[in-house]
Amino acid sequence: RKEVEQDPGPFNVPEGATVAFNCTYSNSASQSFFWYRQDCRKEPKLLMSVYSSGNEDGRFTAQLNRASQYISLLIRDSKLSDSATYLCVVNEDSNYQLIWGAGTKLIIKP
Amino acid sequence: SQTIHQWPATLVQPVGSPLSLECTVEGTSNPNLYWYRQAAGRGLQLLFYSVGIGQISSEVPQNLSASRPQDRQFILSSKKLLLSDSGFYLCAWSPSDTQYFGPGTRLTVL
Repeated sequence: RKEVEQDPGPFNVPEGATVAFNCTYSNSASQSFFWYRQDCRKEPKLLMSVYSSGNEDGRFTAQLNRASQYISLLIRDSKLSDSATYLCVVNEDSNYQLIWGAGTKLIIKP
Repeated sequence: SQTIHQWPATLVQPVGSPLSLECTVEGTSNPNLYWYRQAAGRGLQLLFYSVGIGQISSEVPQNLSASRPQDRQFILSSKKLLLSDSGFYLCAWSPSDTQYFGPGTRLTVL
């Protein structure tokens, strides 16, 4: 069964803290991985793509562990504007159909 | 640059009425196109995808249908809406394995 699982949260984190959450996937043949950010009542927007062991973009770091079949997202020095739902997405084959996690809700508190 | 449009932004329809949602993409040719639905507080459910004009694949059997009459136009339809059709409908396009979303249509069926 195709599956991407995430802790739904919410994660309540003080501003300036570091927060990390994981996503597990079931298909070991998965090719590529993504984190999307979705604000309340808005469309998902691509945050990061992960094709090898990891990717870093400013305060955001995504890591891939193929042996344990999980992807993590680390946010350093969190800002109030980081409050959103973070969606983990996996591409299992070349058919460009993505498997979506249900998302992890993050709330950054002042 | 590529842009994706959806309309209307919000829609309130009575049970049993028809539905037509339109999605168009600019700035690219022969994109893969997708229709998703997101119920309140839930993850994305893939409804249909299309790899070319007239080519539609359905992921979930239900009272919805999709058509792709032109290369960059994707339409979601229903002859008779059900209460369970309420949700946030998102159109996405994909040049490869990454998907980019339109602003969505929030549908409420009463």
